[in-house]
Amino acid sequence: DVKVTQSSRYLVKRTGEKVFLECVQDMDHENMFWYRQDPGLGLRLIYFSYDVKMKEKGDIPEGYSVSREKKERFSLILESASTNQTSMYLCASSFLTGAAFFGQGTRLTVV
Amino acid sequence: SQQGEEDPQALSIQEGENATMNCSYKTSINNLQWYRQNSGRGLVHLILIRSNEREKHSGRLRVTLDTSKKSSSLLITASRAADTASYFCATEPNTGNQFYFGTGTSLTVIP
Repeated sequence: DVKVTQSSRYLVKRTGEKVFLECVQDMDHENMFWYRQDPGLGLRLIYFSYDVKMKEKGDIPEGYSVSREKKERFSLILESASTNQTSMYLCASSFLTGAAFFGQGTRLTVV
Repeated sequence: SQQGEEDPQALSIQEGENATMNCSYKTSINNLQWYRQNSGRGLVHLILIRSNEREKHSGRLRVTLDTSKKSSSLLITASRAADTASYFCATEPNTGNQFYFGTGTSLTVIP
């Protein structure tokens, strides 16, 4: 079975902290994605990557950065966490075309 | 935004009834996919229909695609209480290897 693993299910951080969300996939997928999900807004794409060291901005990249040093790992970085970044964060991976496989999500609260 | 839209936003039915939800999108696509999300969890891929297909079945799921109207529908037959979840459509545009998700339909199946 495809497995996409996010490092934490729940996370509480303070305003101004640097936050790292890690995602690992075991299916040799080329594509990896970070979404945030908020009530009434659906899933919004933050960044995606189609290859190692490659990244593309999604719809809402402001306040975030990403890193993909290895094919299986895609990290989302909140440079200076703010309360409006409190959200559910979802990582996903896929081949160049086809179904996406999601991690279990990280519920981040910034206080 | 290139997000799709699901309709209705919420649907409540009795166990055994059929549930139909619709998705409209804006761009030309390679494929359209439907996902399910249980509360507080990641998304699970249900079914993928390619742009040259009009209908697809998988178990109790039936998906149709009308590319001329840029719309799709998901039918769940003989619903069960365990089908209670949110359902999202996602489009893969033919311009790039990413996905655009709709805002979801919340389905409640009453035992």
